Amino acid sequence: QKEVEQDPGPLSVPEGAIVSLNCTYSNSAFQYFMWYRQYSRKGPELLMYTYSSGNKEDGRFTAQVDKSSKYISLFIRDSQPSDSATYLCAMTQTGANNLFFGTGTRLTVIP
Amino acid sequence: GAVVSQHPSWVICKSGTSVKIECRSLDFQATTMFWYRQFPKQSLMLMATSNEGSKATYEQGVEKDKFLINHASLTLSTLTVTSAHPEDSSFYICSARRASGRNGELFFGEGSRLTVL
Repeated sequence: QKEVEQDPGPLSVPEGAIVSLNCTYSNSAFQYFMWYRQYSRKGPELLMYTYSSGNKEDGRFTAQVDKSSKYISLFIRDSQPSDSATYLCAMTQTGANNLFFGTGTRLTVIP
Repeated sequence: GAVVSQHPSWVICKSGTSVKIECRSLDFQATTMFWYRQFPKQSLMLMATSNEGSKATYEQGVEKDKFLINHASLTLSTLTVTSAHPEDSSFYICSARRASGRNGELFFGEGSRLTVL
């Protein structure tokens, strides 16, 4: 079983839709959760950073962490064509040296 | 802040030659840098972790003699693909962790696309 599971998609939505992206994980020690956005042929950029369970909102983006279910989500409201990218979830535990990544979900927002 | 620059962004070389890719943290000191490889439509595959002034730690299955990593300063790490072959063609991405950064937070370079003919 992979440490982090993420549906690779692809996911296509019309402009203005609410997008829900999800990851599950198996290691209960993970406490730090991130979402990265990667445009084609570019390096990933950090979108959201959360610690432990709860919600975090930043503009049109909301990250949710449910540690009891080992489930994290990223919601994108009023999606725009510029949101079209691959979204990678990542997580780690205290003291760990590296991140554990999901496979990434490719999102296309259709104008 | 927290900008990581990677160079070159793309390179084409002949089989058998060596290629060096640089990763620089422009506005912070990076105690640890990571090198990844990414195949089309796949996630990041960690190749190695490098700490400034010490030998890199390679992931299982990554040939350390083929992928030479040097982290000579707190702002620069290099990856040299030695005697490159077509199967080494890939997208290579580096990331860096700030000395005072949040746990797990990494900043990525733009990536380097290597094509070996």
